[in-house]
Amino acid sequence: AQTVTQSQPEMSVQEAETVTLSCTYDTSESNYYLFWYKQPPSRQMILVIRQEAYKQQNATENRFSVNFQKAAKSFSLKISDSQLGDTAMYFCAFMKPPGSARQLTFGSGTQLTVLP
Amino acid sequence: KAGVTQTPRYLIKTRGQQVTLSCSPISGHRSVSWYQQTPGQGLQFLFEYFSETQRNKGNFPGRFSGRQFSNSRSEMNVSTLELGDSALYLCASSLPPTGGWGNEQFFGPGTRLTVL
Repeated sequence: AQTVTQSQPEMSVQEAETVTLSCTYDTSESNYYLFWYKQPPSRQMILVIRQEAYKQQNATENRFSVNFQKAAKSFSLKISDSQLGDTAMYFCAFMKPPGSARQLTFGSGTQLTVLP
Repeated sequence: KAGVTQTPRYLIKTRGQQVTLSCSPISGHRSVSWYQQTPGQGLQFLFEYFSETQRNKGNFPGRFSGRQFSNSRSEMNVSTLELGDSALYLCASSLPPTGGWGNEQFFGPGTRLTVL
C-alpha cells in the first residue's frame, strides 16, 4: 500500500516571499503520478500541479514548481511570490499508473497562511 | 465546460437514517471517485466507478455504497447513519484511462453531511 507523509502541519510565509512544502511517499511502483492540491476555506479542492514519475524534469505551473526526487521518494512544492490567495490547506497526493483504478492517496495536509 | 457538481451541498440527518448524495461529473468524464474528509482521518478514498462498474473500493463498511448511471452521474448512499459519518464528502471525476495525462481528478465542491 502507498503512504504519503506531510510532516509540516502548519506553515506561514510573508506575502511576496517563497515557501517550500514537503512531501514524502512510499511505494513499490516504478511509475506513478504525484499531485499537489490546494483546499482554500471554501473547501473546493483545486489541482495545483502534477508530476509523472518517469519524467525527470520537474513540473512548473507559473509561481508553483516541484522538486521531485524519485530515489528519495520526495515531492516538495515551492511557491514563489506568495500571494494572500495562496492561503489554503495543501495536500500532496499519489496515484498508481494507468490501468489502475483512479484512487488518490492523500497526505495529512499542510495549512499554509500567507501574511500581509 | 461546467465543473463537477454535487447535490445537496449541506445535509443534516439523525442517527439511523440513510442518505443519498449525488455527483455529476464534467462532461466527457467517465470515471467518478468518492472521498470522505474528516478532521480526524483526513481524506480517505471510498470507491471509484467507471462505465457503471465499481472498480475499486476503500476500507469502509458495507453501509457505504454507490452506483453510476449510463450518463456517468453517480450517487453514493450511506445507510444506518452513525455520528462518525459526519464529514465532507467529495466527488471527483476524470477522463477514461490513458497512457499519458488525463488521470488527474477534478473535484466538486463537496456535500457537508452532519449526523445528529
